[in-house]
Amino acid sequence: GAGVSQSPSNKVTEKGKDVELRCDPISGHTALYWYRQRLGQGLEFLIYFQGNSAPDKSGLPSDRFSAERTGESVSTLTIQRTQQEDSAVYLCASSLDRGHGNTIYFGEGSWLTVV
Amino acid sequence: KQEVTQIPAALSVPEGENLVLNCSFTDSAIYNLQWFRQDPGKGLTSLLLIQSSQREQTSGRLNASLDKSSGRSTLYIAASQPGDSATYLCAARNSGYALNFGKGTSLLVTP
Repeated sequence: GAGVSQSPSNKVTEKGKDVELRCDPISGHTALYWYRQRLGQGLEFLIYFQGNSAPDKSGLPSDRFSAERTGESVSTLTIQRTQQEDSAVYLCASSLDRGHGNTIYFGEGSWLTVV
Repeated sequence: KQEVTQIPAALSVPEGENLVLNCSFTDSAIYNLQWFRQDPGKGLTSLLLIQSSQREQTSGRLNASLDKSSGRSTLYIAASQPGDSATYLCAARNSGYALNFGKGTSLLVTP
């Protein structure tokens, strides 16, 4: 597609349930990022993929969070046993590669509400 | 750890004014600095990227400057329009993989 696509755009889930968030990066982009933005807060880095490997998982807040990427394309962010503090918008971004001159393009985010 | 600060947090100006948004960062060993725009309920749109070897970048009515030695970047918006109303974020890229974001400046341009 023309841009980074994320689904679902909105998700309301009950505390304790698992959720999966999907990201389709721009075709040909090998670098993929996940960020989280809580209400009124700045963006927090979660994880970076280069191809299908994740050399930097340092931002994942707990072991309830995991992510994978397959085929150097689609990525899935999974949150297990969701908590109310997980409520946020989860933003995916991609770039051609991790070269410093490459612009990073963001999707519109998946808005997660845990009730 | 890189800390990025944006001042002011919010700004309201009448249409037609020129304005400057400020971004400062604590670690000057950046590879690039990127400015984004975020509209309510939307993702981020990239506006300008300045590499560490550059001093400024321009796109239409936008001009971004970078002074690594002082740890500062500014985004200049000329002849502001109501459609420019949004939150503007700056993000610094160091040697790691992550962009380090400021909390943004919320801009309102009134007709």
